[in-house]
Amino acid sequence: GQQVMQIPQYQHVQEGEDFTTYCNSSTTLSNIQWYKQRPGGHPVFLIQLVKSGEVKKQKRLTFQFGEAKKNSSLHITATQTTDVGTYFCAILSGGSYIPTFGRGTSLIVHP
Amino acid sequence: SQTIHQWPATLVQPVGSPLSLECTVEGTSNPNLYWYRQAAGRGLQLLFYSVGIGQISSEVPQNLSASRPQDRQFILSSKKLLLSDSGFYLCAWSPDRAGNTEAFFGQGTRLTVV
Repeated sequence: GQQVMQIPQYQHVQEGEDFTTYCNSSTTLSNIQWYKQRPGGHPVFLIQLVKSGEVKKQKRLTFQFGEAKKNSSLHITATQTTDVGTYFCAILSGGSYIPTFGRGTSLIVHP
Repeated sequence: SQTIHQWPATLVQPVGSPLSLECTVEGTSNPNLYWYRQAAGRGLQLLFYSVGIGQISSEVPQNLSASRPQDRQFILSSKKLLLSDSGFYLCAWSPDRAGNTEAFFGQGTRLTVV
């Protein structure tokens, strides 16, 4: 099935710095989703991107879907300690819309 | 509104003992159901998924099995646990319709095999 590579695996930032995580696929994706998992918690859906070149914003978070629909990014502006957690991208594969997750990027924010 | 319940939250089991984790969904019908495992500091590995009662698909060969005896009940089992079965097990569901396939996760079960 389709797979997605997510980088970096870890990212340390000082509070106030920006953060970006990337997901890349070798095949064209129908859509891509982003989730956040707080330490000790469960993944929570953030957003879904469907259209080529789509850009969506949620406060300090900006999500982009590449023109070729093979890559996506999540950018956080001016990180806060509440942004700590692991961010996953997920693609839907198979006729049953099964979410397949990237390995995630763990964001550590130093105050 | 829809809710998902997963229990227990934590579990410590000896090697060779059986396992049964239960997940139930409320407020929806005919959901797609999933079991994922997350090793410490790792990503989410899909173990099983189900699109209907009695329909189980396995993604990886392992020491585990899954069953769906009712529409909104999903059970993860093992006859004999291995040390390598330790991890964070997450049940999830998604609507069975195109275009809106956000996955909703339960709180997870942290399993330690000793």
